[in-house]
Amino acid sequence: AQSVSQHNHHVILSEAASLELGCNYSYGGTVNLFWYVQYPGQHLQLLLKYFSGDPLVKGIKGFEAEFIKSKFSFNLRKPSVQWSDTAEYFCAVNLLRGGYNKLIFGAGTRLAVHP
Amino acid sequence: GAVVSQHPSRVICKSGTSVKIECRSLDFQATTMFWYRQFPKKSLMLMATSNEGSKATYEQGVEKDKFLINHASLTLSTLTVTSAHPEDSSFYICSAGQGSHPYEQYFGPGTRLTVT
Repeated sequence: AQSVSQHNHHVILSEAASLELGCNYSYGGTVNLFWYVQYPGQHLQLLLKYFSGDPLVKGIKGFEAEFIKSKFSFNLRKPSVQWSDTAEYFCAVNLLRGGYNKLIFGAGTRLAVHP
Repeated sequence: GAVVSQHPSRVICKSGTSVKIECRSLDFQATTMFWYRQFPKKSLMLMATSNEGSKATYEQGVEKDKFLINHASLTLSTLTVTSAHPEDSSFYICSAGQGSHPYEQYFGPGTRLTVT
């Protein structure tokens, strides 16, 4: 079965530290890839997405992610985190099979940034 | 743009009663709407996919007679939890996709259901 793995369930960082959150998926076909963020008490918001083209995608708030097809990975990065980045981050994969549209989410990574 | 609302945001009901949750796309027409369930400290699990004017497609293990989904218009989908039980208590989230960007989903704020 297709799945999305996020390696870190909880990450604690100090402000200005660099961030990398891992995401791997298991599906050999064409995929669209997403990172969503859920701030405390708020709904899911799209951080960035990859559909095709340049495998290094830039999103909002200084986040970026790199799609490495050979590794089935789509890791999220930010060079310098802020306290306001405290949130839960979800990696998601959309399987593209004959118009079938289904998002599969990873378990999420809870990030806490201390000032 | 691409705002999705849900109503109510929180609901408490007694065991055995039914609860309806609405999901609306406010500024676009949603050809497809999705219903998810989020357990505490867990990820979102897709329950069903609904296309306007047709029957919803339920994921394996989701009881279609218990979780009734109606997508009567391009801006409204409803999820009715029938004969609710305490184990149905959860956070229910809807999302909507536009026809021009079918692979992007815009999420609602969620509805916290508590069954007593």
